[in-house]
Amino acid sequence: QLQLQESGPGLVKPSETLSLTCTVSGDSISSSRYYWAWIRQPPGKGLEWIGTISSRGSTYYSPSLKSRVTMSVDTSKNQFSLKLNSVTATDTALYYCAIPPADYCNNRCDYWGHGTLVTVSS
Amino acid sequence: EIVLTQSPATLSLSPGERATLSCRASQSVGRYLAWYQQKPGQAPRLLIYDASYRATGIPARFSGSGSGTDFTLIISSLEAEDFAVYYCQHRYNWVWEFGQGTKVEIK
Repeated sequence: QLQLQESGPGLVKPSETLSLTCTVSGDSISSSRYYWAWIRQPPGKGLEWIGTISSRGSTYYSPSLKSRVTMSVDTSKNQFSLKLNSVTATDTALYYCAIPPADYCNNRCDYWGHGTLVTVSS
Repeated sequence: EIVLTQSPATLSLSPGERATLSCRASQSVGRYLAWYQQKPGQAPRLLIYDASYRATGIPARFSGSGSGTDFTLIISSLEAEDFAVYYCQHRYNWVWEFGQGTKVEIK
């Protein structure tokens, strides 16, 4: 069964870079048909899409975050990653990795990590 | 950019009542709209995809309808576990857009 698990520091200082990793189990990223996404949710607020990456490394970023976001895939570790630089307190959120529903699963796939809370504070 | 607007922001209802949630898109999305349920401390869960199809394991009391720019999620008879926040969502290319959410709370 396919599972996703986020990991990374829970506390990041302002102006530094937030780095998170999502480990995929139950499927091989290198041969997978899936795309991989990051979504975040500030405390008490709604869901915000950050970006999506293909297994081959094609990236699609939110216009509002594009200047600060980098996503990558590490097929040797079966992981994909998120880097968000120059963080401020507004980047404090629960960060989820997920698989976007799409044609490859007839729009019905529903795979999310449990989420990891990242707080930006000095 | 497609903007999804949900209404109302909060719905206060009693168990057994019918809940009607709305999602309006700023431009036509065809039938490519999904609904998610999120409970406190949990990741979102897919309820409805392609506007009207229930995801695996979703009870029949949940139904979705609509096309183009106007969509509706109906919970026919609220049960205790249905009080949560609901989001509509659209994907175009590989961009995800979410509505701001409707909270269904116990009256």
